[in-house]
Amino acid sequence: GIQVEQSPPDLILQEGANSTLRCNFSDSVNNLQWFHQNPWGQLINLFYIPSGTKQNGRLSATTVATERYSLLYISSSQTTDSGVYFCAVYVVGNEKLTFGTGTRLTIIP
Amino acid sequence: SAVISQKPSRDICQRGTSLTIQCQVDSQVTMMFWYRQQPGQSLTLIATANQGSEATYESGFVIDKFPISRPNLTFSTLTVSNMSPEDSSIYLCSVEGPVRYEQYFGPGTRLTVT
Repeated sequence: GIQVEQSPPDLILQEGANSTLRCNFSDSVNNLQWFHQNPWGQLINLFYIPSGTKQNGRLSATTVATERYSLLYISSSQTTDSGVYFCAVYVVGNEKLTFGTGTRLTIIP
Repeated sequence: SAVISQKPSRDICQRGTSLTIQCQVDSQVTMMFWYRQQPGQSLTLIATANQGSEATYESGFVIDKFPISRPNLTFSTLTVSNMSPEDSSIYLCSVEGPVRYEQYFGPGTRLTVT
């Protein structure tokens, strides 16, 4: 099956710093989503981004489907950005979402 | 996007018992999905539930352990049967949104088995 690897696995930053999270996938995909899982376990949709670039406030994402990777940028980090970030992909011809390994982000005041 | 609720939000259960988790969506959806997230791990799909048919289980998950019901287009249940401490996880349901291949998740059920 498809492999979805995220890096780095853990990231600790000071408030105000910028960060880049990476998602690599091993096969062609119909879709890629980025989620933020908050400390209470809730999964929050950040981006639906099968290709191209999107921005939402301090967050932006870029997916290069032909090279099988996606990047999530977080600027001017806040403590509320802490949590685990997951990418997840729908594989072509397979009607299910496969999650990446996750990046745990900790923002220190 | 769909609004999804789950009950219970958390529970502590004794080994050998069963727990049924409910998932309610505010709109009619064709497919509902159940995921498990073990402590410190990523999410793993348990099964896909279509209304009016048997759920489709992923490798490593069986109906006897995780029976699923899908009585209508807005509701589903997942039962975790004969629980052991290894079943301690967050269980989440999800649905596909108005955009194909985009999924939305319920708040999750945090289960602890003692």
